[in-house]
Amino acid sequence: KQEVTQIPAALSVPEGENLVLNCSFTDSAIYNLQWFRQDPGKGLTSLLLIQSSQREQTSGRLNASLDKSSGRSTLYIAASQPGDSATYLCAVRLKSGGSNYKLTFGKGTLLTVNP
Amino acid sequence: GAGVSQSPSNKVTEKGKDVELRCDPISGHTALYWYRQSLGQGLEFLIYFQGNSAPDKSGLPSDRFSAERTGGSVSTLTIQRTQQEDSAVYLCASSLRGVSPPPYNEQFFGPGTRLTVL
Repeated sequence: KQEVTQIPAALSVPEGENLVLNCSFTDSAIYNLQWFRQDPGKGLTSLLLIQSSQREQTSGRLNASLDKSSGRSTLYIAASQPGDSATYLCAVRLKSGGSNYKLTFGKGTLLTVNP
Repeated sequence: GAGVSQSPSNKVTEKGKDVELRCDPISGHTALYWYRQSLGQGLEFLIYFQGNSAPDKSGLPSDRFSAERTGGSVSTLTIQRTQQEDSAVYLCASSLRGVSPPPYNEQFFGPGTRLTVL
């Protein structure tokens, strides 16, 4: 059974700091890994999606890396801003035959960026 | 374009009552999913629809939970005889297709319904 773990559970940083969020998964047979942002009352917003054949993806101040063999991904946020405060979720999609529609999520990292 | 919408956004109910949660997927998306996020827990998969059929109901926690989808569009998640442990945020997602390679099964999420059972 795929398990996804995110560390730390919560993180508080001053504005302007660079930071790294970690995600690990137990089954490396994945199609892709996705990072989401969750704001209260606004559902999930997809930030970055890394295919299993890729090493990293970048979007603006965000960079996500994937090491499939070791079952790890990191989300790097550069020059953090108060607007980055949210819960960040990592999810993997398994390659397991007919159930590759299913996303398995970690519990998230609650990020607070203090002005 | 319109995204996935869910209603109500918040629902407070008394223990033992039945509740219905609604999801309107993105137009043209054939696959629809329900997830549950309980306090301190990650999102748990509940059920997957392809069209009006539900080939995977494995995540429904008990027989008090049921879901249907009509016209290949709107879905309703029903919880009968609600219990306090049912309190959670219920999220719906849709994708162009279900069992397909990416990007066709990339899921887009709605804002969720926060259910509180007193």
